[in-house]
Amino acid sequence: DAMVIQNPRYQVTQFGKPVTLSCSQTLNHNVMYWYQQKSSQAPKLLFHYYDKDFNNEADTPDNFQSRRPNTSFCFLDIRSPGLGDAAMYLCATGDFTNEKLFFGSGTQLSVL
Amino acid sequence: SQQGEEDPQALSIQEGENATMNCSYKTSINNLQWYRQNSGRGLVHLILIRSNEREKHSGRLRVTLDTSKKSSSLLITASRAADTASYFCATDAGNNNDMRFGAGTRLTVKP
Repeated sequence: DAMVIQNPRYQVTQFGKPVTLSCSQTLNHNVMYWYQQKSSQAPKLLFHYYDKDFNNEADTPDNFQSRRPNTSFCFLDIRSPGLGDAAMYLCATGDFTNEKLFFGSGTQLSVL
Repeated sequence: SQQGEEDPQALSIQEGENATMNCSYKTSINNLQWYRQNSGRGLVHLILIRSNEREKHSGRLRVTLDTSKKSSSLLITASRAADTASYFCATDAGNNNDMRFGAGTRLTVKP
């Protein structure tokens, strides 16, 4: 059974049109992460939540926002997607020990 | 920002051979983890080694850690075609729960 679920699997948006990616978990983990991964590159940490505490990476563009309304759900909002934002977006969860992350299958975002 | 580099960037071997991948990182760590990613999918945790450990084994996996050199290696023994994937190291650099990944090694195991 999938424990970290990302929807949709593929998302196509238009240049400048806001888009929201969603992630849900059944693990009751404290920490939820969003990573951006471009082709043949490493996942790049955008931000993470420890419970309701939001931690933004210094080099994450302001165009990227996140919401975590409850333990189970976390959203990635891209306010004005540019062509350079086309990538795989990965959600992951972890408990407070940080000894193992559980990843969703990712959302592949295309920007036209 | 990314935590470090991995080498080689790509590795191609025959089934049955061993594969060694290396990872370097920049800051002090609590632990180092290795993950596997099949093409177009999420990452899967393979093994963790703590900063006070030097070597760890799990099945066909062997991980070493040298904190003085800020480096780790992952050895996969007796490789199989199904081991074909990208392999990433990740480090927990502090007390902020941030997990950062190295550049990754793309492993191809030919049958």
